[in-house]
Amino acid sequence: QSALTQPPSVSGSPGQSVTISCIGTSSDVGNYNGVSWYQQAPGTAPKLIIYEVTNRPSGVPDRFSGSRSGNTASLTISGLRAEDEADYYCSSFTSTSTSFVFGTGTKVTVL
Amino acid sequence: QVTLRESGPALVKPTQTLTLTCSFSGFSLSSRPMCVSWIRQSPGRALEWLALIDWDGDKYYSTSLKSRLTISKDTSKNQVVLTLTNVAPMDTATYYCARFLWYQYTIDVWGKGTTVTVSS
Repeated sequence: QSALTQPPSVSGSPGQSVTISCIGTSSDVGNYNGVSWYQQAPGTAPKLIIYEVTNRPSGVPDRFSGSRSGNTASLTISGLRAEDEADYYCSSFTSTSTSFVFGTGTKVTVL
Repeated sequence: QVTLRESGPALVKPTQTLTLTCSFSGFSLSSRPMCVSWIRQSPGRALEWLALIDWDGDKYYSTSLKSRLTISKDTSKNQVVLTLTNVAPMDTATYYCARFLWYQYTIDVWGKGTTVTVSS
């Protein structure tokens, strides 16, 4: 299964908003609600921040929001904070092999 | 509280078989929709999904590694084992096990990971 496509990096100043795209196909992101986003700080395990395209687990700030348009899912971080600096990955169910696929990852830098 | 912990060798020689164990607590792997998945991350690289086993014992594998991977579970011990045969230096990575929720198709809890180096 091919990885979902994300931009290698995005950056923003504190308080700004940044959006990360996750481009898939109709076999994954476009037709299934099993789209998630994970935050990975350096040297740590990933942490779930969005599931089923738009849902936040308890404890995740509402500054993090997810959406989808066609075959592209997006993660928006509003009111960017220094602690948001991390790598972010999307994931999805894929029907091509009835399995799971991650995105290529995006490094968020807070300027 | 759900926790998962990976264990296994830190160093493996090329062509050997790597065996990793995931010990978990806080949920039952015999109850729908619980699953356990393995994911790895090579240094400086993206996450790579490897395999999944569900509450019924059904198994799913990465298409690119399917011929080399085997996942199994021991429900009574709350353990999931992953084997990777014929390892090579490109298999050097941090290996994570994680709880996977089937209906949401998401990984909600991750272990801390175990680092494996393949070198002679």
